[in-house]
Amino acid sequence: DTAVSQTPKYLVTQMGNDKSIKCEQNLGHDTMYWYKQDSKKFLKIMFSYNNKELIINETVPNRFSPKSPDKAHLNLHINSLELGDSAVYFCASSRGQLNEQFFGPGTRLTVL
Amino acid sequence: AQKVTQAQTEISVVEKEDVTLDCVYETRDTTYYLFWYKQPPSGELVFLIRRNSFDEQNEISGRYSWNFQKSTSSFNFTITASQVVDSAVYFCALKTSYDKVIFGPGTSLSVIP
Repeated sequence: DTAVSQTPKYLVTQMGNDKSIKCEQNLGHDTMYWYKQDSKKFLKIMFSYNNKELIINETVPNRFSPKSPDKAHLNLHINSLELGDSAVYFCASSRGQLNEQFFGPGTRLTVL
Repeated sequence: AQKVTQAQTEISVVEKEDVTLDCVYETRDTTYYLFWYKQPPSGELVFLIRRNSFDEQNEISGRYSWNFQKSTSSFNFTITASQVVDSAVYFCALKTSYDKVIFGPGTSLSVIP
């Protein structure tokens, strides 16, 4: 009974490629997030959706585009991948924006 | 602007020692929420505790305890009788009503057997 799931867990790709990461939560939460964790473990929010509506869009290159087809899903598409995009990407969800977040297992993206 | 500081980058303790992880936050909002998360070597992020700004009561959960002091803007986390399984990176986070959640840089705790 995975609460927040992400696929794939590992993603290795060449520079310039386009890739997607999928996220699903079965907790009935209305708010979902994407975070980037760099090699120094620093966690930075990228996007947040509440009831399928984008509410947080941090200073992220527009090569990154989130899509929320419904409240339970938040996907992340990345165009023209660059070396600096290599990181672990976490999806998370919460009930409302003020409560604790539940994180997916992370997707380790390596751009060669 | 909101900010979370975890001044201890890395801590090493010997098993069964007590250890306190510091968290200092900055915000001008009077309503805010503080969190602690654990990230073990396996990589997942696990929620530990949430505290709102109106509740300064300390909390104890087993070997874990949290000390929230608004006067010093701190929300410290103590592990009593540490165990090897406590080895992880611990993140403190701050959420105000009108801004995004901010995570501190994390404290890496190593518990040596």
